[in-house]
Amino acid sequence: SQQGEEDPQALSIQEGENATMNCSYKTSINNLQWYRQNSGRGLVHLILIRSNEREKHSGRLRVTLDTSKKSSSLLITASRAADTASYFCATEGTGRRALTFGSGTRLQVQP
Amino acid sequence: GAVVSQHPSRVICKSGTSVKIECRSLDFQATTMFWYRQFPKQSLMLMATSNEGSKATYEQGVEKDKFLINHASLTLSTLTVTSAHPEDSSFYICSAARNNEQFFGPGTRLTVL
Repeated sequence: SQQGEEDPQALSIQEGENATMNCSYKTSINNLQWYRQNSGRGLVHLILIRSNEREKHSGRLRVTLDTSKKSSSLLITASRAADTASYFCATEGTGRRALTFGSGTRLQVQP
Repeated sequence: GAVVSQHPSRVICKSGTSVKIECRSLDFQATTMFWYRQFPKQSLMLMATSNEGSKATYEQGVEKDKFLINHASLTLSTLTVTSAHPEDSSFYICSAARNNEQFFGPGTRLTVL
């Protein structure tokens, strides 16, 4: 399978704490994207980082990308109960527009 | 913005029947759409790439005769699950490509009894 791996599979933290999720992938990429999914719902696009970028910020989100290690991390700072969801990384490979999704991290933020 | 809709949002059907799911790009034209499937507590897996005016490209292990894809216009792709079985019960999500971005539909939950 070409699917990427994410860790941890599940993460439970208290409100106000930071949450870090990691993603590893297998192929050369054009970009890597992070999505959020509430239970049984569709995907919400969070952030896209291109292969020539190393770090990107958006509000409380910080994404890093290390193409030499084929890995990325998503940091959510000052978490809120409303951040409770599953988070997926997805890569767009070179020459292929379809996305390959990671296995996902289920984040639970305790109020 | 770029909005993608899916219809229906939920469908329950009996084994052996066929179910059609529609994916529409509401405010842009999409020559390429993608169909993904997500089983409970799992990630999304690409099923096929749908190209307007041509045959879909299916991923390895996805039966093209079972999952019929028609991309007849620049704003509509349909996925028909033929002779549905309980193991086809899943969450089906489409996405439409515009420039270098993909925009996802809200998903269709299929339950086959």
